[in-house]
Amino acid sequence: GAVVSQHPSRVICKSGTSVKIECRSLDFQATTMFWYRQFPKQSLMLMATSNEGSKATYEQGVEKDKFLINHASLTLSTLTVTSAHPEDSSFYICSALLAGVYTDTQYFGPGTRLTVL
Amino acid sequence: AQSVTQLDSHVSVSEGTPVLLRCNYSSSYSPSLFWYVQHPNKGLQLLLKYTSAATLVKGINGFEAEFKKSETSFHLTKPSAHMSDAAEYFCVVSGNAGNMLTFGGGTRLMVKP
Repeated sequence: GAVVSQHPSRVICKSGTSVKIECRSLDFQATTMFWYRQFPKQSLMLMATSNEGSKATYEQGVEKDKFLINHASLTLSTLTVTSAHPEDSSFYICSALLAGVYTDTQYFGPGTRLTVL
Repeated sequence: AQSVTQLDSHVSVSEGTPVLLRCNYSSSYSPSLFWYVQHPNKGLQLLLKYTSAATLVKGINGFEAEFKKSETSFHLTKPSAHMSDAAEYFCVVSGNAGNMLTFGGGTRLMVKP
């Protein structure tokens, strides 16, 4: 159980275009999902917290107009990178929060490799 | 405030020998602690988690970790390394501030044949 999928697994796009990444919790409902960015050989950097039915909460320094997040249902959150530029090339990972008896646990998707030419 | 320090950025072991990945944390609250593993170009997989129910936590693939409050440590161990264990390992703490995670810097485990 507690499986999270991401689509696409990798995408290559031209500079100036927009890219949408989907994150789905396959076997549980998640009112909260998270979007992270990971640079090579580094740990994960939280970009934003996605809440079903409400606006996302962005971390300091993350442009909300550039990284649009929509959490339309209890199993789906999307991240749209608008007007992508080469510096947006990165590994993007989502997670979905599963409530537990003692603690809530984040389960991560397999990641999406974005390359902007 | 909370922080996590993984004491070794790289650990190299021979196949069949024990694995020890060290993690120290600081937290103003009673923390929840996690170990995740990441294989190249993959997402993070949960290995195990400490939630105050038991100090010795057993996880998947033969890994376990012991929560030691007096030492503020949560080291990850495995009795016998397998080649497939080669990956990046993250120690993570979740504190009282909602479900926000604080990640350690990661430890790359290399397993030699």
